[in-house]
Amino acid sequence: AQKVTQAQTEISVVEKEDVTLDCVYETRDTTYYLFWYKQPPSGELVFLIRRNSFDEQNEISGRYSWNFQKSTSSFNFTITASQVVDSAVYFCALSEAGGSYIPTFGRGTSLIVHP
Amino acid sequence: DTGVSQDPRHKITKRGQNVTFRCDPISEHNRLYWYRQTLGQGPEFLTYFQNEAQLEKSRLLSDRFSAERPKGSFSTLEIQRTEQGDSAMYLCASSLIGGLDEQFFGPGTRLTVL
Repeated sequence: AQKVTQAQTEISVVEKEDVTLDCVYETRDTTYYLFWYKQPPSGELVFLIRRNSFDEQNEISGRYSWNFQKSTSSFNFTITASQVVDSAVYFCALSEAGGSYIPTFGRGTSLIVHP
Repeated sequence: DTGVSQDPRHKITKRGQNVTFRCDPISEHNRLYWYRQTLGQGPEFLTYFQNEAQLEKSRLLSDRFSAERPKGSFSTLEIQRTEQGDSAMYLCASSLIGGLDEQFFGPGTRLTVL
């Protein structure tokens, strides 16, 4: 069975600090996809990134970067120079071939960026 | 607006009443998902459609819940004989082809059962 753990319930930082959100997953499949979504206070989840299990290359998109390590079953998300607009709940999700690619979401990490 | 829309945004009902929610996905998307999200939790899968076919239902979807997507476009989620435990945010999402694609979420319908 697939499982996603986001151990950090809430993180509070001051603007311009770097912050890393952790995501650890469990799966028996060799083919799977990992996702990060952002849920701002307005409530609508916004897709950030998708990564498949065969591509461990890290990715950078502006102030966002993702570190995928199969050896530790982790897919961590780092925001560099955080801004108040980054305040949101961030969800990591896993979908696997054996699960009809239906995503399982973690419980989310609430990020609060103070000015 | 070409995103996923849901109606209503908020619904307050009394225990035992029936409620129905509507989701309009992005027009060219074949897959449509329903999720439930409670406070402090991530979205939990309820069911999904590939075009008009309902392909999978979660064990969370009790007999009081039913979903339809009659013409492969919009979908409805009905809850019969609501219970206080049904209070949650009900999210709809759509994707272009299948589970490999990112999902686009609607704003959700917040249900409060008194």
